[in-house]
Amino acid sequence: QQQVKQSPQSLIVQKGGIPIINCAYENTAFDYFPWYQQFPGKGPALLIAIRPDVSEKKEGRFTISFNKSAKQFSLHIMDSQPGDSATYFCAASLQTGANNLFFGTGTRLTVIP
Amino acid sequence: GAVVSQHPSRVICKSGTSVKIECRSLDFQATTMFWYRQFPKQSLMLMATSNEGSKATYEQGVEKDKFLINHASLTLSTLTVTSAHPEDSSFYICSAGPDSTNQPQHFGDGTRLSIL
Repeated sequence: QQQVKQSPQSLIVQKGGIPIINCAYENTAFDYFPWYQQFPGKGPALLIAIRPDVSEKKEGRFTISFNKSAKQFSLHIMDSQPGDSATYFCAASLQTGANNLFFGTGTRLTVIP
Repeated sequence: GAVVSQHPSRVICKSGTSVKIECRSLDFQATTMFWYRQFPKQSLMLMATSNEGSKATYEQGVEKDKFLINHASLTLSTLTVTSAHPEDSSFYICSAGPDSTNQPQHFGDGTRLSIL
């Protein structure tokens, strides 16, 4: 059973565009929602994370929007660049630190110059 | 920031060989570490949770005798793929989070295992 559902599977945008990746979860006990960026042959790197007590968090060009009632959250990348081309994973866990992360299926983003 | 180091980054070996992969937390203590397996173009699949000083907790369908996990210290966990076969070829990734519940998990750079 997929605890976290992610869409789209792949995404192609022009440089400067704003790709949006969406995730949905079922377990209302989830308390922490990170996004990871993964380049080929590398491990995932933490990009940005949010807790359910806020509806939006912005760090640089990356913004998370969180809708607690709908159990959905999304990642927006402003002014996307070719260097942003990577696979993005949303995740959820009961807490941070030593708790298991439940990953979405990933979105392969391609930013065309 | 917190860093997790994974070694080796790539292994190529013959069928029947046992391979050990190390995962170290460089600047924090981690009572718990996680081992994942990732197939090409797919998400991370949790294999097991490594617990310092006690037995690892394996996910359903993961053979504990095939994938031996040892977490002997607060900064080191090892995954040994015993008698590896071509079907064990994959990308293995570890992660660790500081013991404080307010800190995020960080991932190693993965180990590409290729069994000939």
